Amino acid sequence: DGGITQSPKYLFRKEGQNVTLSCEQNLNHDAMYWYRQDPGQGLRLIYYSQIVNDFQKGDIAEGYSVSREKKESFPLTVTSAQKNPTAFYLCASSIRLSGNTIYFGEGSWLTVV
Amino acid sequence: GQSLEQPSEVTAVEGAIVQINCTYQTSGFYGLSWYQQHDGGAPTFLSYNALDGLEETGRFSSFLSRSDSYGYLLLQELQMKDSASYFCAVRASYNTDKLIFGTGTRLQVFP
Repeated sequence: DGGITQSPKYLFRKEGQNVTLSCEQNLNHDAMYWYRQDPGQGLRLIYYSQIVNDFQKGDIAEGYSVSREKKESFPLTVTSAQKNPTAFYLCASSIRLSGNTIYFGEGSWLTVV
Repeated sequence: GQSLEQPSEVTAVEGAIVQINCTYQTSGFYGLSWYQQHDGGAPTFLSYNALDGLEETGRFSSFLSRSDSYGYLLLQELQMKDSASYFCAVRASYNTDKLIFGTGTRLQVFP
């Protein structure tokens, strides 16, 4: 079945450590996104990519980095520079310029201890 | 800035009808979408309005008035499984599909 796979589902990190969240899609979508969701909050855009080897900062990019070396993969690195990284992270994808639906993965819970 | 306003919480009983409103203020507008998210899960697409008027999909309908920067999601014949958070989202850019999300409305359906 086609879809978006995020891993790991749950991750604990010590302060000062970088961590990378994986996102893989087999929908053949051009565009991919990373959103952050805090408890009781909406979704805020971290980074997005419209095509391989290209990505753009979203509204809250500071302390995060991404790469888009392959169409199906868009990993997110949460660096030690991110001051409050504990959150639920959602990866999504869309057919580029569809103007309509974006599809989400099941999310990754990151807790900094 | 860009913002989407939604009520934080709505409650209703099974079988009832509920309306969740969304007002937006964005730099551009190329469509209003609605997403449903159950606790701990992924948001899933419900509906999309690019033009004014009502779109109906089964028990769910969505309305848009671009002149009022306003839309709503109407849920009919409520079921317990409809208890979830509902987000409106605006596509504000012409050349991307990135969405700006509202803060979400938590719907609780009681028996």
